[in-house]
Amino acid sequence: DAGVIQSPRHEVTEMGQEVTLRCKPISGHNSLFWYRQTMMRGLELLIYFNNNVPIDDSGMPEDRFSAKMPNASFSTLKIQPSEPRDSAVYFCASSLEGTAKAFFGQGTRLTVV
Amino acid sequence: KQEVTQIPAALSVPEGENLVLNCSFTDSAIYNLQWFRQDPGKGLTSLLLIQSSQREQTSGRLNASLDKSSGRSTLYIAASQPGDSATYLCAVNDNQGGKLIFGQGTELSVKP
Repeated sequence: DAGVIQSPRHEVTEMGQEVTLRCKPISGHNSLFWYRQTMMRGLELLIYFNNNVPIDDSGMPEDRFSAKMPNASFSTLKIQPSEPRDSAVYFCASSLEGTAKAFFGQGTRLTVV
Repeated sequence: KQEVTQIPAALSVPEGENLVLNCSFTDSAIYNLQWFRQDPGKGLTSLLLIQSSQREQTSGRLNASLDKSSGRSTLYIAASQPGDSATYLCAVNDNQGGKLIFGQGTELSVKP
């Protein structure tokens, strides 16, 4: 398996623009997680899905952030409108079930100018 | 609220040394604990997962221990090598399932 695949790897956008990050989990995994990593706050869970259903979105910072998982092999994280403070590395991870070993993608480095 | 702390924040050792990285957590009601490795500009790689009922896990030169009652875990690296240089992160999975709470990591540098 190719592992968790995220795209794009890097994204530079202007403040106010919409940004969409994409994730393809490992085939057969039924849990998917979105994390954000910054120097100040470290790694934080934004949202996680189990069997395509959002289970915990308490980490989503505000209404500008939304996440979807239309099927077992694809998820998106959207920021609209983007702000400079959203600049971070966004990771997607998947696991066989919620508490099993987590496999992370390479991340998307987002810069909002 | 669960909080995870890792000490030290950075560590530099000569090649060949055995070393210990520390992780502590405030709420002992965890499901499991995972140790990850992160190389610069890369994603996280899971090294070891310890279930709450287990005391330790081993993989090659790595050994992780868990003392749930005292809220502590250690990652022992034997005979360190320059290729071990990376940031090591500890994360606990709370009893709600799925939600990993991470420490800030220990940045390890192994000098040849």
